[in-house]
Amino acid sequence: EVQLVESGGGLVQPGGSLRLSCAASGFTFSNYWMCWVRQAPGKGLEWVANIKQDGSEKYYVDSVKGRFTISRDNAKNSLYLQMNSLRAEDTAVYYCARDGNWGQGTLVTVSS
Amino acid sequence: SYELTQPPSVSVSPGQTARITCSGDALPKKYAYWYQQKSGQAPVLVIYEDSKRPSGIPERVSGSSSGTMATLTISGAQVEDEADYYCYSTDSSGNHWVFGGGTKLTVL
Repeated sequence: EVQLVESGGGLVQPGGSLRLSCAASGFTFSNYWMCWVRQAPGKGLEWVANIKQDGSEKYYVDSVKGRFTISRDNAKNSLYLQMNSLRAEDTAVYYCARDGNWGQGTLVTVSS
Repeated sequence: SYELTQPPSVSVSPGQTARITCSGDALPKKYAYWYQQKSGQAPVLVIYEDSKRPSGIPERVSGSSSGTMATLTISGAQVEDEADYYCYSTDSSGNHWVFGGGTKLTVL
């Protein structure tokens, strides 16, 4: 059974940084593109970034380019999202996803 | 940037057919995916590659795509189908994904 478990969310001040992690199990992690998707409170879904199987290709939504970095460690079956220069509008539940499989999400709140 | 356009809301009576549309310029060449999200829950994939149904999704849920429009159809809609539905696809490069704005389906 595919399992994706996010962690690392929390409250951070504007301008601060946070690193999200996603632990994957139940499938061969290194065979799949992975992505992060977020959902602001009461809003729709927004694709944030994705990364190729070997990490050689990464793509981002325009609003996070230059501030967020997606990465992975295939040896640890883990996906990461380094978030810097956080803004209030980054407040959201962040989901780790592989094809149609999603985790339960981790909440990031950016507020002073 | 690329956009997918959905109606904000669709309302049907139980037993009727609900159709939710999604329009995007790249849809003639890119697959559409559909997610269902019930309140407080993570999204669930209900249609992939325009018209394929994951295991566990009832047959009354179907998808199609023609030209720049993809359509999610729920035949004989039930109260349990009430949810937000999102289409999902890529731009013409295939590298940047985007969700539609979501459609709230009401069955009452």
